[in-house]
Amino acid sequence: EAGVAQSPRYKIIEKRQSVAFWCNPISGHATLYWYQQILGQGPKLLIQFQNNGVVDDSQLPKDRFSAERLKGVDSTLKIQPAKLEDSAVYLCASSSANRVRSTDTQYFGPGTRLTVL
Amino acid sequence: AQTVTQSQPEMSVQEAETVTLSCTYDTSESDYYLFWYKQPPSRQMILVIRQEAYKQQNATENRFSVNFQKAAKSFSLKISDSQLGDAAMYFCAYRRGMDSNYQLIWGAGTKLIIKP
Repeated sequence: EAGVAQSPRYKIIEKRQSVAFWCNPISGHATLYWYQQILGQGPKLLIQFQNNGVVDDSQLPKDRFSAERLKGVDSTLKIQPAKLEDSAVYLCASSSANRVRSTDTQYFGPGTRLTVL
Repeated sequence: AQTVTQSQPEMSVQEAETVTLSCTYDTSESDYYLFWYKQPPSRQMILVIRQEAYKQQNATENRFSVNFQKAAKSFSLKISDSQLGDAAMYFCAYRRGMDSNYQLIWGAGTKLIIKP
């Protein structure tokens, strides 16, 4: 079974530029998560989708970050414009949770390491 | 609010020895799940082991096992016969049960160093 795919793996941009990350979840997984992980810290949830609807985006800086999951499969996370403090690894995860009671184990992609200069 | 605490920023162990990583959590819920994830330098987060709170039996996965003490709200990870490939950051995580939309609450991580 293929895992969660992410691209690009690395990205270097200058502040105020725009950047987009792509994620393809495990086939059949209804729930998709985007995390931001700053070096030395645990992941911070940015947004959670169930199918193509947003479940939780309370920690997403909506003035500069946006995410979409059209057709309930692939997802794109965009930052526009980027700031120095956005330098981090952006992790995508998916789970098969589509029912009320679930272990909801999340499986992660390899991440995208973003450096903002 | 639920919190997860990993009190050991860094641990080191000799190859082939056993090491235990600590995790405590705070919750008023009775139904929840606990996870240990491993994150090697490649930064990919890999599930190591998970535990359902309603199960009294401690979860095991090959060389990895947990000591789940529900009353004490403790969830430690024991790695037996440590190998060089075990070197990584280890994160403990908690999730409320019943509703799959509840998010994971993460600890700050413990860096595990394996000495050859």
